[in-house]
Amino acid sequence: GEQVEQRPPHLSVREGDSAVIICTYTDPNSYYFFWYKQEPGAGLQLLMKVFSSTEINEGQGFTVLLNKKDKQLSLNLTAAHPGDSAVYFCAVRPIVNTGNYKYVFGAGTRLKVIA
Amino acid sequence: NTKITQSPRYLILGRANKSLECEQHLGHNAMYWYKQSAEKPPELMFLYNLKQLIRNETVPSRFIPECPDSSKLLLHISAVDPEDSAVYFCASSQVGTENNERLFFGHGTKLSVL
Repeated sequence: GEQVEQRPPHLSVREGDSAVIICTYTDPNSYYFFWYKQEPGAGLQLLMKVFSSTEINEGQGFTVLLNKKDKQLSLNLTAAHPGDSAVYFCAVRPIVNTGNYKYVFGAGTRLKVIA
Repeated sequence: NTKITQSPRYLILGRANKSLECEQHLGHNAMYWYKQSAEKPPELMFLYNLKQLIRNETVPSRFIPECPDSSKLLLHISAVDPEDSAVYFCASSQVGTENNERLFFGHGTKLSVL
C-alpha cells in the first residue's frame, strides 16, 4: 500500500515568516491529495484538495505545490500568523475506484507560530 | 462543525461497555471511524459505503461498528483496554463523485480508560 512521509514533525516560525511542510509519496498511481489542519481538541479541517493534474494550487494565505517528478506535495504558508498554529496532515487517496476508499495520512507536522 | 455530530464528547471508562454515536447531515454515502492516539495521525478502523461494511481494518474484536442508516454510525466498545485511550473520529464522504469527494470529520470523542 501507499506510504506517505511527512516532514518536519515540528516547525516553529515567527509571525510573518513562511512555513513549508512537505509530504513524499511512493506509489506512481494517480491520487487525490489533501491537506488538513487540526487545532487542539478539534477534528481535522480540510484545507485543500489537489488533483494530480494541477501543480500549483492557491488558497487563503497558503499555496500547495505538487511536484510529480519528485513525488512531493508541499504546503507553503506565506506570512504565518498565530492562528496558523496547529497540526497539519497531508493525505492521499487513489483515484482509481477499486473499492479502496482508504485515505492514507502523513504523520503530521506540529506548527507553532510565535507572535 | 455541526455537519457531523458525535456523542459523547468525552468518555471516561473502566472495563465497561459503551457506544459512540455519530450522525452526518451532509447526505454522504460513506462513513468512517478513525482512531487517533496522542501525537499520531488518524488510523482507519471501519468504513461503511452505502451502509455496507467494505473495509474492516484489523482492530480488536471488542470494537463493533453498526450503521443503522446511511446518516448514522455507531461504535460499540466492550471491556475497554487502556490501549483504547484515544480520540475517535467519525468522518464521511460522498464516494462516486470523484472530483467532489473529500473527507469531512466530526469533532471526535475523547475516550480515557482508567
